[in-house]
Amino acid sequence: QSVLTQPPSASGFPGQRVTISCSGSTSNIGRNFVYWYQQLAGAAPKLLLHRNDERPSGVPDRFSGSKSGTSASLVISGLQSEDESLYFCASWDDILTGPMFGGGTKLTVL
Amino acid sequence: QVQLQESGPGLVQPSQTLSLTCSVSGVSITNGIYYWSWIRQYPERGLEWIGYVYYGGRAYLNPSLKSRLSMSMDTSKNQFSLRLSSVTAADTAVYYCARLVATTFPFYVDSWGQGTLVSVSS
Repeated sequence: QSVLTQPPSASGFPGQRVTISCSGSTSNIGRNFVYWYQQLAGAAPKLLLHRNDERPSGVPDRFSGSKSGTSASLVISGLQSEDESLYFCASWDDILTGPMFGGGTKLTVL
Repeated sequence: QVQLQESGPGLVQPSQTLSLTCSVSGVSITNGIYYWSWIRQYPERGLEWIGYVYYGGRAYLNPSLKSRLSMSMDTSKNQFSLRLSSVTAADTAVYYCARLVATTFPFYVDSWGQGTLVSVSS
């Protein structure tokens, strides 16, 4: 089960900036990179950010990330209707010896 | 472009064994920079890493599932598989196969299959 904590929901109007948080511990976020995934309804998750703040090819620069201590954030600037999706964070956990995931945040564009 | 596709029964009876296969295209599962993983997503959205396997057949399994779990690879078919025994309703979830990038540690998931819903019910 998820041990990275995310708010279950977030919302914003088109054009606004939205921040989604992800909280972990010293065995995961505190020592390792954070990754963010976007999961559109009925689709497979897609890698959105890796190594805390790096965007894979094709991901708009409206998406950015940061990490501090045992927490991380995903920021979406200039919110668009197509950003309405489920977002979840992940980080390698040294105790589990595998990836740990957040519970996911459902973003609604108002 | 890698593609992963899960296959297997959508309904499993309690106490039976859940078996899933992931067919991989676009890359050989013997490519040493990738490991091959299973992840499941519960109805309430939570995700759980199940385990991963890599060329050579070694598997790393989630300790909470290890006693019921086995994973294997079939390099001739470019597939890898999952077997979870003694299932209960708590194992009902969408099961994803995924690719782990293992060029540097720690590893991370960069590609996912579409997922397959497995329900445990009589």
